[in-house]
Amino acid sequence: DQQVKQNSPSLSVQEGRISILNCDYTNSMFDYFLWYKKYPAEGPTFLISISSIKDKNEDGRFTVFLNKSAKHLSLHIVPSQPGDSAVYFCAALDRGSTLGRLYFGRGTQLTVWP
Amino acid sequence: DGGITQSPKYLFRKEGQNVTLSCEQNLNHDAMYWYRQDPGQGLRLIYYSQIVNDFQKGDIAEGYSVSREKKESFPLTVTSAQKNPTAFYLCASSLGTGNTIYFGEGSWLTVV
Repeated sequence: DQQVKQNSPSLSVQEGRISILNCDYTNSMFDYFLWYKKYPAEGPTFLISISSIKDKNEDGRFTVFLNKSAKHLSLHIVPSQPGDSAVYFCAALDRGSTLGRLYFGRGTQLTVWP
Repeated sequence: DGGITQSPKYLFRKEGQNVTLSCEQNLNHDAMYWYRQDPGQGLRLIYYSQIVNDFQKGDIAEGYSVSREKKESFPLTVTSAQKNPTAFYLCASSLGTGNTIYFGEGSWLTVV
C-alpha cells in the first residue's frame, strides 16, 4: 500500500511558466518531506525539503508547500526552464519511527518546452 | 571529493549467476540504502542499514542479500533467486535515519 502518492505521471509546461507538482500522503505520522529530481540513468539529487512545523519553504525558483490537514504537498517551480525537465520524486519520513526510512512516490515526469 | 560511488555502472549477468554491486561512501554517514528503479514503479527499497553490522529488509528484499561490515561500504548481491533482476540500482546514504538521503549515480544490471 503506497503511503506517498504522485497521481500525475507526467506534466508538460511552457518555459517561463509555473510548474506545479503534487504529492499526497496517507500516514499522519510523516513529519519531514523531501523532493528529489532525477535525470535518466543518473541518481536522484536532493532538491528541497520541508518540516511539518512549516507550511512553506523556498529556495530560489523552488518552493514547497505543505497542507497537513489535507495531507498534501506541492512543489512550485517558477519560472520553469528546459533544464528542469526530469522526473521529480516526492518522499516522506516519520522522524520518530525506529525504522528511519523514506517513502517515495512513483514520480512525475516534468517536460518544459521552449 | 565526498560522495557515494557505485560500481560498476553497467553490468551484464547470465541467468543463474549471482552478482555483487558495490557501494562506497566517504561522507561518514551511518545509514545506507539500496533502491531499485523500474519504469513506472518509482524507487523501491531493497535493504537498508542504520549502522554497521546491522541491516533491515525493505519492501522488495527477496532474492537480494547485503552486508555492512564497514561503515563506508554496503554491497548488494543480486542472487539467482531474484526473478526479474534487470533494473537500475541506486545506493544512498544519510547521516542517520531521519535525515536527508543522498544517492549515488546508479548501476544498470542486465540479465542476458
